[in-house]
Amino acid sequence: ETGVTQTPRHLVMGMTNKKSLKCEQHLGHNAMYWYKQSAKKPLELMFVYNFKEQTENNSVPSRFSPECPNSSHLFLHLHTLQPEDSALYLCASSQGIGFNNEQFFGPGTRLTVL
Amino acid sequence: GDSVTQMEGPVTLSEEAFLTINCTYTATGYPSLFWYVQYPGEGLQLLLKATKADDKGSNKGFEATYRKETTSFHLEKGSVQVSDSAVYFCALSDRGGNDYKLSFGAGTTVTVRA
Repeated sequence: ETGVTQTPRHLVMGMTNKKSLKCEQHLGHNAMYWYKQSAKKPLELMFVYNFKEQTENNSVPSRFSPECPNSSHLFLHLHTLQPEDSALYLCASSQGIGFNNEQFFGPGTRLTVL
Repeated sequence: GDSVTQMEGPVTLSEEAFLTINCTYTATGYPSLFWYVQYPGEGLQLLLKATKADDKGSNKGFEATYRKETTSFHLEKGSVQVSDSAVYFCALSDRGGNDYKLSFGAGTTVTVRA
């Protein structure tokens, strides 16, 4: 595996389900990100982790719970979501968190909440 | 706050046509500017970037020039191919504060027909 991988690629869940999204980066990076991509809207930054420590929570509802056990893995735990949470969830990583650090993106998980 | 505005799509072109996607920005500091591309079913990839005024970023035949006087970073390609069909995102990273935060435009869908 190379780059940034995400599983599953597609997920359908009911509002009462609990599920988790997984992201893994094979680039030796120290920072990881979760973004939400909704149709016809700019990407929304959700969470940022640097060296496993959360440095940003962009006013994300508590039904989204991130976990970063090490610099290579990032999870997004989902619980009692709403239909409006249906979107493409993108994970990214970068070497550091300075402005010149290029972010590398995974292919995303297409989430549908019924 | 920082923001990016890019032309709405979709844009449909014939092969070998000239492509321009307009992007303007608002920033409080001295941002770096980026163009990302998202091919169908994939994550975002950095296409090109510019870190200071009058810089020109270029890659794969695409170019964009950082124009501070007009706060613009328009993307251009002289002769598009079918393989250029994708969604293009303009983004900025402002050095003035949380400089790891990328602010994205809403994306422009480009379809190139043979």
